[in-house]
Amino acid sequence: GNSVTQMEGPVTLSEEAFLTINCTYTATGYPSLFWYVQYPGEGLQLLLKATKADDKGSNKGFEATYRKETTSFHLEKGSVQVSDSAVYFCALFPYGNNRLAFGKGNQVVVIP
Amino acid sequence: EAQVTQNPRYLITVTGKKLTVTCSQNMNHEYMSWYRQDPGLGLRQIYYSMNVEVTDKGDVPEGYKVSRKEKRNFPLILESPSPNQTSLYFCASRGRSETQYFGPGTRLLVL
Repeated sequence: GNSVTQMEGPVTLSEEAFLTINCTYTATGYPSLFWYVQYPGEGLQLLLKATKADDKGSNKGFEATYRKETTSFHLEKGSVQVSDSAVYFCALFPYGNNRLAFGKGNQVVVIP
Repeated sequence: EAQVTQNPRYLITVTGKKLTVTCSQNMNHEYMSWYRQDPGLGLRQIYYSMNVEVTDKGDVPEGYKVSRKEKRNFPLILESPSPNQTSLYFCASRGRSETQYFGPGTRLLVL
């Protein structure tokens, strides 16, 4: 069935560093792919999405490209800020009966 | 403002005492879900509803009940809470697009 895998473990980096969070997926058909972000004490909110192969989603300086050949949707940002500290979830639709499948999330901590 | 609201935001209770967490959305969305978030396990779906009076089990439904009598509301019921249900709970809704909107979360501690 459809599923999403995110790299293990938290990510700690300095302000202005380059951020990459890996996400790979397993799917039949042509799923849509998402990155959601959860800021401290809040619910998840959509960061960006891509609905077909080679699409690039972008928002707030973050980008991710839907790569069908490598079944990946890695999240990148060229220069992170302290305010980017959050948990980032990769997600796929559909999963099962019109559901979203989430990866386990990555805690990102940006140090001044 | 389009939003998903949950109440209460924080709850401490004791084993076996029935509780209900309310969820409401004002976007006329058909699809609503409940998730729990636990360290190292990410988000796991408890129950979901595709419309009024239509609900189905997610990945971890044991110990929970839901109902969908009105389109805007989707309460989560713990008939007899146990300590392993201590968690952070999120309600979410989705319309015809694939984008899901989340509530602010309810942190539950069962003693």
